[in-house]
Amino acid sequence: EVQLVESGGGLVRPGGSLRLSCAGSGFSFSPYWMSWVRQAPGKGLEWVARIKPDGSEEHYVDSVRGRFTISRDNAKNSVFLQMNNLRAEDTAVYYCARGVGVDYWGQGSLVTVSS
Amino acid sequence: DVVMTQSPLSLPVTLGQPASISCRSSQSLVNSDGNTYLSWFQQRPGQSPRRLINKVSNRDSGVPDRFSGSGSGTDFTLKISRVEAEDVGFYYCMQATHWLPITFGQGTRLEIK
Repeated sequence: EVQLVESGGGLVRPGGSLRLSCAGSGFSFSPYWMSWVRQAPGKGLEWVARIKPDGSEEHYVDSVRGRFTISRDNAKNSVFLQMNNLRAEDTAVYYCARGVGVDYWGQGSLVTVSS
Repeated sequence: DVVMTQSPLSLPVTLGQPASISCRSSQSLVNSDGNTYLSWFQQRPGQSPRRLINKVSNRDSGVPDRFSGSGSGTDFTLKISRVEAEDVGFYYCMQATHWLPITFGQGTRLEIK
């Protein structure tokens, strides 16, 4: 069974940083692109970032480019999202998802940016 | 960016009756490889999204056959042949043909009348 488990969310002040982690199991992790998708409270889904299987290519939505960095460790079946200079509008549940087609999703990790 | 527009945004349905959700894209979703990367997701209350349909009409593993997808180009539809209580929640279409960025529709809330 494919499982994705996020961790690292919490409350952070505007301008602060947070690092999310996602551990995958139940599938061969290294051949897949991995993605992050977020959902602000009461709102819809927004794709945030993705990373190539070997980590050599990263893509970002315009609103986070230059502030967020996606990375991965295939030896640990994990993908990460380093979030710097956080803003109130980054408040959301952040989901880790498998592949470009985001076929499997984790349970999500809540990030709240507030003073 | 490709804009995905769903309708209706709210869909009250009687148990056992059919339901239909429309999704239109601002550009054709036919990829250069010949595939159309249009997916449908279900998000039940308090849960993560679950992919139901990929490449317009392919049901994902474990998805009941009362769910079906159709369409082409810029016009797509998700149909539920007979709505059950467990189908309550939000439904989103998503395109990954133009993958920078992939984009989602606004979501359709399905509720039982």
